[in-house]
Amino acid sequence: EPEVTQTPSHQVTQMGQEVILRCVPISNHLYFYWYRQILGQKVEFLVSFYNNEISEKSEIFDDQFSVERPDGSNFTLKIRSTKLEDSAMYFCASSTYNEQFFGPGTRLTVL
Amino acid sequence: RKEVEQDPGPFNVPEGATVAFNCTYSNSASQSFFWYRQDCRKEPKLLMSVYSSGNEDGRFTAQLNRASQYISLLIRDSKLSDSATYLCVVLSANAGGTSYGKLTFGQGTILTVHP
Repeated sequence: EPEVTQTPSHQVTQMGQEVILRCVPISNHLYFYWYRQILGQKVEFLVSFYNNEISEKSEIFDDQFSVERPDGSNFTLKIRSTKLEDSAMYFCASSTYNEQFFGPGTRLTVL
Repeated sequence: RKEVEQDPGPFNVPEGATVAFNCTYSNSASQSFFWYRQDCRKEPKLLMSVYSSGNEDGRFTAQLNRASQYISLLIRDSKLSDSATYLCVVLSANAGGTSYGKLTFGQGTILTVHP
C-alpha cells in the first residue's frame, strides 16, 4: 500500500539554525500539506501546495517558513531560523481529493 | 468558540463495550468530515469519512448532522487495539473555494480499552 514517507524521523538543532524537513508524498497525489503538532496539543495546519504553488497558509506559516517541490517526488519544508517554539512534530500529508494521508512525522527539537 | 470541539474524555471502557464520541464544528461552510485515530507519538491515520446519510465500517459507525453541525462516532464491541486518541477533523475550502483544503482538527478524545 502506498504511503507518505518523511525524513529525518528526528532532527535536533540549535536555535537560529536552518532546518529542512523532507517528504515523499504518495506518487499519484496532487495536493501536499504540512501540519505540526506541539507536544500535548492538537494538530495544526501550516500550508497546502498544489500545482507548484502555495494554495493556502496559516498564520503560523510566516516568513521563516517556505515549501518547495524541488523535483517530481520530494516536498520540503524549510525553517530559516528556528525558534524554541518551533519544537514540534511536523507531519506531511498528501491527497488526490478530500482524504489526506499523513506521513510518520519528523520530530523537531530546537535547543 | 473552538472551530472543532470534542468530548474531552478520557474514556476508559472494558473490552466489548460500546462507546460514542461527539464533536461539533463552528464553520457552516465546512465541506467534508472525518474521524482519524492517532496512536501515541504517531501520525493521524484516517479511520473513516463521515457522510450525511451516515456510514458504517465494521464496528464503526459515523453520523453527520449538518443542521446541528454535529458529528459522531460509535464503536461497538471495543477491542484492546481500539485504544488510541480519536480526532474529529473538518475540511474547509479556501476563500476561493478551490483548495482541497485545510484540515482542522479537534483536540482529540483519548480512549483506553481494558481487559
